[in-house]
Amino acid sequence: EADIYQTPRYLVIGTGKKITLECSQTMGHDKMYWYQQDPGMELHLIHYSYGVNSTEKGDLSSESTVSRIRTEHFPLTLESARPSHTSQYLCASLGQGNSPLHFGNGTRLTVT
Amino acid sequence: LAKTTQPISMDSYEGQEVNITCSHNNIATNDYITWYQQFPSQGPRFIIQGYKTKVTNEVASLFIPADRKSSTLSLPRVSLSDTAVYYCLVAPPYNQGGKLIFGQGTELSVKP
Repeated sequence: EADIYQTPRYLVIGTGKKITLECSQTMGHDKMYWYQQDPGMELHLIHYSYGVNSTEKGDLSSESTVSRIRTEHFPLTLESARPSHTSQYLCASLGQGNSPLHFGNGTRLTVT
Repeated sequence: LAKTTQPISMDSYEGQEVNITCSHNNIATNDYITWYQQFPSQGPRFIIQGYKTKVTNEVASLFIPADRKSSTLSLPRVSLSDTAVYYCLVAPPYNQGGKLIFGQGTELSVKP
């Protein structure tokens, strides 16, 4: 089983707060991804990274930012949370070859 | 990037075989097809992957016709625990980069 961890699992926070969602993987994967998913809806790619110091925006515009200072760590930050940011955020990593995406269990964010 | 189209939802009964088809008309020559299963409040998990013809593992089979413009996930003898959302993902090989964009997915409901 793949080792990719997301914390916190659930987060309820007030409007205007700065938050960071953590994602770590122990598999040494270079490629990592953040998806946003509303309940009952599809996954939307918001950020991805091909390795250290590489970050790109995905298909869905997002006010969040990401960083990739270490291979194993790909945190997502919201400088000022708003109720429209309420969603589930899923992190994934991809190993070389034709291996599939490995997903964490997500962070369910609620902004009040 | 290959766009995928799947039925939004399907219903089945325990013990039946379920076939979910994904259309990907503009699949590129080197793209692979991967299917994922997602339960509520969890990240998607890998089911099966293929490039052409037929692939079978312990949980499913994947049928890909010669033109590769579609693929069919086959779940033999489904149970209640197979109720989930199923996504097909068409993506290039690792060394060709590219965003990993999911389609809408198919919500499978298995009834007793």
